[in-house]
Amino acid sequence: GENVEQHPSTLSVQEGDSAVIKCTYSDSASNYFPWYKQELGKRPQLIIDIRSNVGEKKDQRIAVTLNKTAKHFSLHITETQPEDSAVYFCAASYGQNFVFGPGTRLSVLP
Amino acid sequence: DSGVTQTPKHLITATGQRVTLRCSPRSGDLSVYWYQQSLDQGLQFLIQYYNGEERAKGNILERFSAQQFPDLHSELNLSSLELGDSALYFCASSASPGPATDTQYFGPGTRLTVL
Repeated sequence: GENVEQHPSTLSVQEGDSAVIKCTYSDSASNYFPWYKQELGKRPQLIIDIRSNVGEKKDQRIAVTLNKTAKHFSLHITETQPEDSAVYFCAASYGQNFVFGPGTRLSVLP
Repeated sequence: DSGVTQTPKHLITATGQRVTLRCSPRSGDLSVYWYQQSLDQGLQFLIQYYNGEERAKGNILERFSAQQFPDLHSELNLSSLELGDSALYFCASSASPGPATDTQYFGPGTRLTVL
């Protein structure tokens, strides 16, 4: 089955710096890769996604890159702000559903 | 607000009991997914329904069952509850049956505490 690994598990950055979270997946048939942000006790919210026919996608301070050959994709957050502090989950499509990574706890220090 | 609703918000019960969690998908969405999130854990996929029929099954225990009704709301039934079943239970909805190229929108979750 699909296995999604995510690194690092925790990440602390200074406000204004960039943050990068990396995920790898195992199933070459995976073709859709969403990223979710989850604040404490709240629902996961989609922040950006990328499909396998695209190598990079950007939305303001957030970007995602995909390397299909290497089976990895990354989330890049620039100019981080305290409100970016949350747990971030990557996911890879697998058949009818998703397999989620274990999450990265991002702390943006003022 | 994602448009997905879940009730109740909190549920406290005892071991051995049975509970029912309810989810209403976004208007127009036919797929409902159920996930379990234990403390400081990731999201574990339990089961998916599309237009009333079971579509995919994940790591769902035999003590758990689900169904989707003609009005597309879904219920997750958890029975013979154990302490380890304490978790946040999310449902998510999407428009398509899969493959999973369609955005999933999550509900606010039900926090289940088993004492």
